[in-house]
Amino acid sequence: ETGVTQTPRHLVMGMTNKKSLKCEQHLGHNAMYWYKQSAKKPLELMFVYSLEERVENNSVPSRFSPECPNSSHLFLHLHTLQPEDSALYLCASSPNRNQPQHFGDGTRLSIL
Amino acid sequence: KQEVTQIPAALSVPEGENLVLNCSFTDSAIYNLQWFRQDPGKGLTSLLLIQSSQREQTSGRLNASLDKSSGRSTLYIAASQPGDSATYLCAVNTGGFKTIFGAGTRLFVKA
Repeated sequence: ETGVTQTPRHLVMGMTNKKSLKCEQHLGHNAMYWYKQSAKKPLELMFVYSLEERVENNSVPSRFSPECPNSSHLFLHLHTLQPEDSALYLCASSPNRNQPQHFGDGTRLSIL
Repeated sequence: KQEVTQIPAALSVPEGENLVLNCSFTDSAIYNLQWFRQDPGKGLTSLLLIQSSQREQTSGRLNASLDKSSGRSTLYIAASQPGDSATYLCAVNTGGFKTIFGAGTRLFVKA
């Protein structure tokens, strides 16, 4: 139990579908992150929210849309994805900037 | 632009051996460096965090060192066990919320 819970654990979707990934943290942290992990590539930071405000957006295509309704919940809304978007999507949280991050177990996404 | 490199990409050792994993980074202006472990199909588990002002951190059989001037960190694992088999990731915090990860070293410890 890491304190960061991601659902679903696995998701298979077609390119025309719309789905959402969910992340919830029970650690009282103020910052939450979305990362993409593709095979044989380093983790790529996608978005960072601090106190529900987006503070980092690393040139992510608009087909990925984050939402942070409160400091405990983070969503990643997906629509019209491409096959190259198949990856492990990891959520993390940290108390604040420059602080160690705690990770969830990820959502394995497959695009058909 | 900060880049993080981990060598070797994969390593296979017999049980009981001491081993060293390497991490190098191109920009010495870092806040901290963190070593993680990732098991297949799982998220990342934090092993050790070294602040930029520190030279090393120890936890059980693990010891991590940091040399900012040369842009290097090592993770030393003593008396390796089959349960240590996993991918080990090095991550550098460059300030604020940005963390740059290496591609990892995949370790296999043979019983």
